[in-house]
Amino acid sequence: DQQVKQNSPSLSVQEGRISILNCDYTNSMFDYFLWYKKYPAEGPTFLISISSIKDKNEDGRFTVFLNKSAKHLSLHIVPSQPGDSAVYFCAASSLAGGTSYGKLTFGQGTILTVHP
Amino acid sequence: GAGVSQTPSNKVTEKGKYVELRCDPISGHTALYWYRQSLGQGPEFLIYFQGTGAADDSGLPNDRFFAVRPEGSVSTLKIQRTERGDSAMYLCASSGRPVDTQYFGPGTRLTVL
Repeated sequence: DQQVKQNSPSLSVQEGRISILNCDYTNSMFDYFLWYKKYPAEGPTFLISISSIKDKNEDGRFTVFLNKSAKHLSLHIVPSQPGDSAVYFCAASSLAGGTSYGKLTFGQGTILTVHP
Repeated sequence: GAGVSQTPSNKVTEKGKYVELRCDPISGHTALYWYRQSLGQGPEFLIYFQGTGAADDSGLPNDRFFAVRPEGSVSTLKIQRTERGDSAMYLCASSGRPVDTQYFGPGTRLTVL
C-alpha cells in the first residue's frame, strides 16, 4: 500500500529552465509534507516543507505547491542548475492526527538531471 | 556543529550472522528515527525513539530486528540471523523535537551474502 507516490522515476531538464517534480498521496490524515534531496553516498537532506493549512511555500529557487482536494503536491525549481541533479523524495506525516511525532512516509523518489 | 553520524558506513556479512548498526544523533536531539531504504525505493520507517524509550516500533519487519537507545543519545539497531532480504541502506535521523525537521545521517549499507 503505497501511500505516497512519485510516478516519474526520472526527469531531465536544461540548465536555467524550470524543473517540476510531482507527488501524490492517498492518506487524508497527512497534514505536513516535505521534500528531501539525496546525493549519492549521502543521507537525504531537507529541502522545503508545507503544512496543509497552506497551498504554497517558497524558499529561494524552490517552491512547493499543495492541492489538498487532489491530494497532490509539486516542487518547482527555478532556475534549475546542474548542482540540483540528485534524487528528490517527497515525504508526508500526520502531526495532528494519527502519529503526532512526525513519522515520515516517503515516495519512491525522482532522479533529476539538469544538463548544462 | 556535527551532523548525524552512522557507523559503519558499509557492512558485509554472511547469512545467519548477527549485526549491529550504530547511530550518533545531533547533540541534544531527543527524537531519533531509523529508516530502511531498498534499491529504487524511498526510505521506510522502522522505529522511533523519544528519549530512551521506543515510542513506535511498528515498522520493524519481524522479531529479528531490535533497537536500543539506553542513554537517550546513541542508538544501535540490531539484526539477528540476517537474511539476504535484509540487504539495504539503513538510515538514521534525529530531530530536536518530534515534530521538527529530521536530519539524516549518511546511512549504513548492509549487504548480506
